[in-house]
Amino acid sequence: DTGVSQDPRHKITKRGQNVTFRCDPISEHNRLYWYRQTLGQGPEFLTYFQNEAQLEKSRLLSDRFSAERPKGSFSTLEIQRTEQGDSAMYLCASSGRQKTLEKLFFGSGTQLSVL
Amino acid sequence: KQEVTQIPAALSVPEGENLVLNCSFTDSAIYNLQWFRQDPGKGLTSLLLIQSSQREQTSGRLNASLDKSSGRSTLYIAASQPGDSATYLCAVYGGSQGNLIFGKGTKLSVKP
Repeated sequence: DTGVSQDPRHKITKRGQNVTFRCDPISEHNRLYWYRQTLGQGPEFLTYFQNEAQLEKSRLLSDRFSAERPKGSFSTLEIQRTEQGDSAMYLCASSGRQKTLEKLFFGSGTQLSVL
Repeated sequence: KQEVTQIPAALSVPEGENLVLNCSFTDSAIYNLQWFRQDPGKGLTSLLLIQSSQREQTSGRLNASLDKSSGRSTLYIAASQPGDSATYLCAVYGGSQGNLIFGKGTKLSVKP
């Protein structure tokens, strides 16, 4: 068990550029979540996958954001035409079979800075 | 809409003290409540998970309690150590929203 891995750890980009983040969940976990956290706030839910199916999306996930989880393994989160307001820590988490009963295990996050 | 509040926002204590962190939530229809620890610039580490049918969970020097009817949880840390310094986040699962809803956290500083 190597835990949840996220790549890259840090990303600096210019406004208007596209960025993509990757998350590798714990191997036996079938649920994967994306959260966003800004300074001094708790994480906010963005979206959730069960296997390869994207089951829930927050209103925070504008049409510039897209997430995929091909084959139900790793996931990617892409932000198109980045804005300064997108600057945040993007956290990935995974959990096991029972959504309501399982602990969420978080990765170390990707810190995005949009200049 | 579920809202989670944590008090205090920050806490500084001398090493060795016992302390209590508070968490309250507005919708008592939850499945579980989790306490996390977050070190600066890092992800979250799960500390304790309490199912809605449980009243408390213990792990080492940590004890978390849950009172669903009053919408409250506490995290008790015994014999605090400088290594306990971090932000502690409370999160609830369920209620009016179907995913984990977080408070803003309590930033704990334990002075040697």
